[in-house]
Amino acid sequence: LAKTTQPISMDSYEGQEVNITCSHNNIATNDYITWYQQFPSQGPRFIIQGYKTKVTNEVASLFIPADRKSSTLSLPRVSLSDTAVYYCLVYPSSNTGKLIFGQGTTLQVKP
Amino acid sequence: DGGITQSPKYLFRKEGQNVTLSCEQNLNHDAMYWYRQDPGQGLRLIYYSQIVNDFQKGDIAEGYSVSREKKESFPLTVTSAQKNPTAFYLCASSAVAGNQNTEAFFGQGTRLTVV
Repeated sequence: LAKTTQPISMDSYEGQEVNITCSHNNIATNDYITWYQQFPSQGPRFIIQGYKTKVTNEVASLFIPADRKSSTLSLPRVSLSDTAVYYCLVYPSSNTGKLIFGQGTTLQVKP
Repeated sequence: DGGITQSPKYLFRKEGQNVTLSCEQNLNHDAMYWYRQDPGQGLRLIYYSQIVNDFQKGDIAEGYSVSREKKESFPLTVTSAQKNPTAFYLCASSAVAGNQNTEAFFGQGTRLTVV
């Protein structure tokens, strides 16, 4: 299973762009990269998913370089409500059924 | 509305008792998962099931048991063998589609406290 590494915590200010990078050096050919967001006392929710290059939706952008050994979640113009824990997952293409969440990155947005 | 429901939201257990946490989904998903989350920590996988009548241990299965008799239900029992059960428990489900990645949907969680 591809292991992911991301920063434990990050601070930002309202209105800034935030980039959270995740390393996944042993990602397999058919693996996808997925990011989730979790607010306190709630279950995580899906933000964005990608395989290569760039994916954008109404919430975030996901940048994946050609070697796919890392990915960057970009949150444009964050607000206080974006304070949450962000998890990077690499889903096993072998479909073993395990869905592993790491420690995540705690983003604190300040006024 | 389709979704995944956990109950109860809060649960108190006396030491030495077994308790069962409920998880129901009406998303027609094949896969279901149970996670434990301690304060300030990430999610740790307890058990998972890819299909009815089959389930696998996750990373911290000791002291827990599950069943998957119906596709929509995946209850978790916290047994007296679990030495430190106080935690936030999350249930999730996802469709299983070969090599395609799929989104996991989570319930609102059950906060279990041992008193």
